[in-house]
Amino acid sequence: DTGVSQDPRHKITKRGQNVTFRCDPISEHNRLYWYRQTLGQGPEFLTYFQNEAQLEKSRLLSDRFSAERPKGSFSTLEIQRTEQGDSAMYLCASSLVTTTGELFFGEGSRLTVL
Amino acid sequence: QKEVEQNSGPLSVPEGAIASLNCTYSDRGSQSFFWYRQYSGKSPELIMFIYSNGDKEDGRFTAQLNKASQYVSLLIRDSQPSDSATYLCAVIAQKAAGNKLTFGGGTRVLVKP
Repeated sequence: DTGVSQDPRHKITKRGQNVTFRCDPISEHNRLYWYRQTLGQGPEFLTYFQNEAQLEKSRLLSDRFSAERPKGSFSTLEIQRTEQGDSAMYLCASSLVTTTGELFFGEGSRLTVL
Repeated sequence: QKEVEQNSGPLSVPEGAIASLNCTYSDRGSQSFFWYRQYSGKSPELIMFIYSNGDKEDGRFTAQLNKASQYVSLLIRDSQPSDSATYLCAVIAQKAAGNKLTFGGGTRVLVKP
């Protein structure tokens, strides 16, 4: 399978716990994006990387959120001290610099904070 | 005002009819426009993109762009029950870095046999 993969697909946690999501993009894609989607809403941009550099972060990304993309390959999104409002689908997408807006999404990681 | 706006629906259409979806955007300088389809519980998948004013056809789908009026639409001809999904309009704003897409809230489409 050469698509974007995300892990875990589902995570249930208690408020205050830390969670980490992983995204493996399509291998030749140098851009990687994180979006968050809640029920009935469209995806909201969180952050993106070009290779290993994190080039933009949304104001939605509070200081409890951190994302990394070491070596420009896979990426992790960590949420510290989770809150119930963090419950959402976290979507990862990747693309090539040379294309215009054609994002390929993974299946997402659904977070439920109790 | 949201950057990208869509009617949330549901838009109910009989099988075989044309489904017409609309999207408006606020950034007049936006250059690239996309329609993604999202089945319930699944991730978005790209259907079409359009950059120039006018129509662009791909199979049963036609995207229409009117930059002067700041709207983009999607027509689905001969609608099938398998077209039942949420359709997301997405835009790359003029000053967006890294081809960042801004999505609308989506329009839910129900095709009834």
